[in-house]
Amino acid sequence: SQQGEEDPQALSIQEGENATMNCSYKTSINNLQWYRQNSGRGLVHLILIRSNEREKHSGRLRVTLDTSKKSSSLLITASRAADTASYFCATLGVYSGGGADGLTFGKGTHLIIQP
Amino acid sequence: GAGVSQSPRYKVAKRGQDVALRCDPISGHVSLFWYQQALGQGPEFLTYFQNEAQLDKSGLPSDRFFAERPEGSVSTLKIQRTQQEDSAVYLCASSAYRDRSYEQYFGPGTRLTVT
Repeated sequence: SQQGEEDPQALSIQEGENATMNCSYKTSINNLQWYRQNSGRGLVHLILIRSNEREKHSGRLRVTLDTSKKSSSLLITASRAADTASYFCATLGVYSGGGADGLTFGKGTHLIIQP
Repeated sequence: GAGVSQSPRYKVAKRGQDVALRCDPISGHVSLFWYQQALGQGPEFLTYFQNEAQLDKSGLPSDRFFAERPEGSVSTLKIQRTQQEDSAVYLCASSAYRDRSYEQYFGPGTRLTVT
């Protein structure tokens, strides 16, 4: 079962604009990670934020985490055509075992950057 | 350095056939994960190895699915008597540490089509 829900499901913006994607989850987490997946390619890890962190930056990426609302957001600034991809949030639960040792992914946001 | 590799990249099987999917993790990585990604969905966790020990297999959808990592490096996911609902991309990921809370590096996946 999928824990995370990304919002929106699809997003189309002009090159140079900022893109914001949101993720909500249901259970207590150890950390939350964002991945990118291009058509026909594997998942690429973007950024990891731990449950005791509130904000993290990496290049043009900014991630926030609100554990009280069980939500996270990913901001991509100054978007480029190469950012066109599906973006997934994935959570790692606090407890191990019973299927919880791996990441739990959402359904993803499909981002299209118009040149 | 080399990333996670998977073979074959594409596999077409007739319903009822057995298939074996191979994963070569990043050299020295302790943890290995298998995920199943249906079309238009996020990946779903199948099983987790720490070295050769399979610590969590509760994500495997049925007893037709079997995974092994006998020497703590290469892993094989075997599906017996394939069904159409097994059609998906099977992703392998590895992580450097025993602690599962670190980032995972994904391979390109094997796309399985059951006809």
